[in-house]
Amino acid sequence: AQSVSQHNHHVILSEAASLELGCNYSYGGTVNLFWYVQYPGQHLQLLLKYFSGDPLVKGIKGFEAEFIKSKFSFNLRKPSVQWSDTAEYFCAVYNTGGFKTIFGAGTRLFVKA
Amino acid sequence: DAGVIQSPRHEVTEMGQEVTLRCKPISGHNSLFWYRQTMMRGLELLIYFNNNVPIDDSGMPEDRFSAKMPNASFSTLKIQPSEPRDSAVYFCASSPARTNYGYTFGSGTRLTVV
Repeated sequence: AQSVSQHNHHVILSEAASLELGCNYSYGGTVNLFWYVQYPGQHLQLLLKYFSGDPLVKGIKGFEAEFIKSKFSFNLRKPSVQWSDTAEYFCAVYNTGGFKTIFGAGTRLFVKA
Repeated sequence: DAGVIQSPRHEVTEMGQEVTLRCKPISGHNSLFWYRQTMMRGLELLIYFNNNVPIDDSGMPEDRFSAKMPNASFSTLKIQPSEPRDSAVYFCASSPARTNYGYTFGSGTRLTVV
């Protein structure tokens, strides 16, 4: 069965530290890949997405993600985090053949000021 | 564009009562999704519609749950009878087409069943 794995459930960083959140998926076919962010008490918002082309995708607020097809990975990165990046981050994979989007369990990021 | 609109924002009800959650998708979006979010199970897809037709309801936990989409601008998720373990945040999301270009989520309904 298709699955999405986010390696870290909780991450604590200090401001200005670099961030990398891991995401791996199990589906071998064509996929669309997404990262969503959920700020405390709010709904999920789309951070960035990958469909095809350049495997390095840039999103809002300085976030980027790299698709490595051979590793079935789509890791999220940010060179320097801010306190306002404190949120939960969800990786999601859309299986173009099955028309379903599967979300990972989420990674809670806490940035210390 | 007002985004995806859900109501109510909060619902507290007693066990055994019927609960109806409502969602208005973004105009022109063909697909609508209902998700449930809990600490224990994370984000779960309950059901999704394409052009008002239910496509996959395999995520609906039990017969107590039902969902309808009578027209392109309105959907409901009903729980009858409700149980304490149904307590969660229920999100509705919509997207422009069956192919996923990214979802727009509503603000969610926080349901507490006591």
